[in-house]
Amino acid sequence: GQQVMQIPQYQHVQEGEDFTTYCNSSTTLSNIQWYKQRPGGHPVFLIQLVKSGEVKKQKRLTFQFGEAKKNSSLHITATQTTDVGTYFCAVVILTGGGNKLTFGTGTQLKVEL
Amino acid sequence: EPEVTQTPSHQVTQMGQEVILRCVPISNHLYFYWYRQILGQKVEFLVSFYNNEISEKSEIFDDQFSVERPDGSNFTLKIRSTKLEDSAMYFCASSPRGRGGASGYTFGSGTRLTVV
Repeated sequence: GQQVMQIPQYQHVQEGEDFTTYCNSSTTLSNIQWYKQRPGGHPVFLIQLVKSGEVKKQKRLTFQFGEAKKNSSLHITATQTTDVGTYFCAVVILTGGGNKLTFGTGTQLKVEL
Repeated sequence: EPEVTQTPSHQVTQMGQEVILRCVPISNHLYFYWYRQILGQKVEFLVSFYNNEISEKSEIFDDQFSVERPDGSNFTLKIRSTKLEDSAMYFCASSPRGRGGASGYTFGSGTRLTVV
């Protein structure tokens, strides 16, 4: 099945530092979604990218889809303690019978004061 | 904002017992899903459901598992004869369309299943 790998697995930053997580696939992706899961919480949808080279911003968060549509990144500028959580990329895979959202391995972000 | 609700929030069961996890998806959504997350690991797809039937299932979703939409609002996951390795957080999700669209998938708060 399709696998999406994320790096790094963990990241500790000081508050105010930037943070980036990368998502990589060996095959071309039709789309990519990003989710945030707070500790003890559930995945919350952040954004969907569809177009090659697409860049979208949400306040301090910048999402990018690679030109070849095989990788994506999420960059957070000037992290805050509220950014703590695990960030997952995910791909909707259409199959003959239906569809499924396949999650990447996730990057756990810890922000220290 | 509409949300997916799941009950119970925590379920403890004896090994070999049957459990039913319940979900109420967002009312105008058409696609429903179950996922599970073993502590500290990634979120794993179990099954998708559309038009009152399973549209896709993973290798995890074996004969031990079943899903049902009994009354047009609830969406349930039944696990027969639970095993210790079924202990995990189970998330229900729904989406208005198969790809999730611009709004993605909406997840419930989860049911933490502990098999003892």
